[in-house]
Amino acid sequence: DVKVTQSSRYLVKRTGEKVFLECVQDMDHENMFWYRQDPGLGLRLIYFSYDVKMKEKGDIPEGYSVSREKKERFSLILESASTNQTSMYLCASSLRGSHEQYFGPGTRLTVT
Amino acid sequence: SQKIEQNSEALNIQEGKTATLTCNYTNYSPAYLQWYRQDPGRGPVFLLLIRENEKEKRKERLKVTFDTTLKQSLFHITASQPADSATYLCALDVKTGANNLFFGTGTRLTVIP
Repeated sequence: DVKVTQSSRYLVKRTGEKVFLECVQDMDHENMFWYRQDPGLGLRLIYFSYDVKMKEKGDIPEGYSVSREKKERFSLILESASTNQTSMYLCASSLRGSHEQYFGPGTRLTVT
Repeated sequence: SQKIEQNSEALNIQEGKTATLTCNYTNYSPAYLQWYRQDPGRGPVFLLLIRENEKEKRKERLKVTFDTTLKQSLFHITASQPADSATYLCALDVKTGANNLFFGTGTRLTVIP
């Protein structure tokens, strides 16, 4: 079974803090994704990576950066957290050439 | 602009009946369409994928249709059970480099015993 884990289920941070969200997958998947999910807006892609050290912007990359130093790990960084980044963050992975994505349990981030 | 609409935010049906969920899209040309299930507080789980040249796909009590002319997919759950209660998301796969998905906002299904 594919397992995607995220470092925290719940996180509370203050405005202006630097925030790291970690995602690890154990199935040697090439592709990894970061989404945020907000009521009425659905899942929106922030960044994705199709290989180590590679990254591509998704639909809403502003205010975020990512890091992929190892194949199994994909980190999302909020350089200076703002209240409008309060959301559910979901990480996903997929095998190159495959279409189904495997999601982690999500991190609910609150920025106060 | 590009848009993915799922017919209703919430759908309540009686146990044993067939649930039908709709996904309509505009200004996309998906090569594939996927359906996911999401339970509260959890990440989505893949259910089914249908290709643009397929009209229908089945898996146990689930059936998906895909009409690229109407730009619509229908998702059916037959003999529905309370355990089917969840939010169902459709996702368009436009076959870019890493198979990015574009998600609808979901339909919350409640199956009443």
